[in-house]
Amino acid sequence: SQQGEEDPQALSIQEGENATMNCSYKTSINNLQWYRQNSGRGLVHLILIRSNEREKHSGRLRVTLDTSKKSSSLLITASRAADTASYFCATRGSGGSNYKLTFGKGTLLTVNP
Amino acid sequence: NAGVTQTPKFQVLKTGQSMTLQCAQDMNHNSMYWYRQDPGMGLRLIYYSASEGTTDKGEVPNGYNVSRLNKREFSLRLESAAPSQTSVYFCASSEGLRAQSGYTFGSGTRLTVV
Repeated sequence: SQQGEEDPQALSIQEGENATMNCSYKTSINNLQWYRQNSGRGLVHLILIRSNEREKHSGRLRVTLDTSKKSSSLLITASRAADTASYFCATRGSGGSNYKLTFGKGTLLTVNP
Repeated sequence: NAGVTQTPKFQVLKTGQSMTLQCAQDMNHNSMYWYRQDPGMGLRLIYYSASEGTTDKGEVPNGYNVSRLNKREFSLRLESAAPSQTSVYFCASSEGLRAQSGYTFGSGTRLTVV
C-alpha cells in the first residue's frame, strides 16, 4: 500500500518561479525522503529529513516536516528548465518490519523556459 | 562511476517465457531492493534483501523470485512471464535497512510481455 501521497499530481510553472510540492502520509515514520526522476531515468535521492527535524535545506531545496499533520513539503526556489522531472516522497517506517521505503505516486513538475 | 548497474535496459518477452534481471552495486551497500514502476501506481516493492544471505517479500512478490548472489549482486527472476508484469523495474541499494541515508537506484529495465 502507498504510504505517501503527493499533491498536486502535476505542476507547471515558469522558469525563475518557486515550486512547492506536498506529501501526506498515514502512519508514524522514522524519516521522509524526496527523490527526483527525470523522464526515462532512475530515481535520484535529493534530501532526507528525520522525524525529529522540522526543516532542512540543500542548495535550492527546502523541505519541511510536520509530524503532527503527517505532512511534508518540498520547495524548489528559482526553478530552472532542468528541474523538469517527477518528484516522489518516500517514507521509512518507525518500527516493526516497516523499515523499507514506501513511495508515493509522484508530482510531475514542468518548468517552462 | 560508482552506483547501481542493471541489465538489460530493455527486454521483450512472450507470455510464459522466463528471464532474469541482473543488478550489481559497487558501493559496499548491505541492503538491496527490487521495485516495479507502473503508470499512476508509483513504485512498489517486489522483494528486498536486508543483508547478504537474506531475502524477503515486499508488497507485490507474486510471480517473482530473487537471489542475493553475494553482497554486490541481487537478481530478479520471472519464471513464467505474464502481460501484467509489463513494467519498468528498478533495482536500488542502501547502506542498510535502518540506515539514515537514501537509496541509490539503477537506471531501470523496461520489460514488455506480449
